[in-house]
Amino acid sequence: GAVVSQHPSRVICKSGTSVKIECRSLDFQATTMFWYRQFPKQSLMLMATSNEGSKATYEQGVEKDKFLINHASLTLSTLTVTSAHPEDSSFYICSARGLASSEQYFGPGTRLTVT
Amino acid sequence: AQTVTQSQPEMSVQEAETVTLSCTYDTSENNYYLFWYKQPPSRQMILVIRQEAYKQQNATENRFSVNFQKAAKSFSLKISDSQLGDTAMYFCAFMKPRGGGAQKLVFGQGTRLTINP
Repeated sequence: GAVVSQHPSRVICKSGTSVKIECRSLDFQATTMFWYRQFPKQSLMLMATSNEGSKATYEQGVEKDKFLINHASLTLSTLTVTSAHPEDSSFYICSARGLASSEQYFGPGTRLTVT
Repeated sequence: AQTVTQSQPEMSVQEAETVTLSCTYDTSENNYYLFWYKQPPSRQMILVIRQEAYKQQNATENRFSVNFQKAAKSFSLKISDSQLGDTAMYFCAFMKPRGGGAQKLVFGQGTRLTINP
C-alpha cells in the first residue's frame, strides 16, 4: 500500500515552453501533497505544500507564477513549470500524505532537462 | 525554525560491518517526529525508520536501529551487518506533529554511504 506515482519519469523540453508533471496517490487519498526539488548530490528542497481544493503554499524564494501547482482531487496534484529555462533543469519529487497519517510517501521523481 | 545537520558527507565500510550515521537537529518543540530516509541510485526515497520524540525507546527495524538522545538532540542511525544494497544516500529528517503547522519534512544534507564488497 501507500504508492505514489509520478509522470513522466523523464522529460526534455525546449527553453520557453511549459511542462507539466503529475503526482498521483494510487491507493490512498492524499489530503496533502508536497513538491520538492533536488539538485545533483544535494538534499531535497521543499518547493510548496498543497492541500486538496486549496491554493498551494510556496516556500520562500519559490516563484509561484513559475511553478504552478494544482491539487484538484484527493489523488492528483500537478506541477507545471512555465516558461522553462535551463536553470530549471533538476529532479522534481512529490510526496503525499493521507488525512490520518503523519507519514509522507514519495513518488519516484521526474528528471526535467530544459535545452 | 528547525534545522537538521548531518556532519558526515560520505562514509564507506566493508560488507557485513556495522556503520553509524550521525544526525543532530535543533528545535524548541517538545514533541516531533524524526526519520531516516534512504535514496538509492534509483533516487526513490525510501523510509528506513521513524521515531516519535515522546517515545523513549529507540526504534528498530531489522538491521536498522536508532540512538535517539532527546536532550542532546541527536538521532543516529546504526546499520548492522551491512549489505551491498544498503549503498545509498541517507537523509535524516524532522517533522512537527499534527497541529504544529503543515507537517513539513526538514531534511539534513545527506550522507553518501558506500558498502564495499
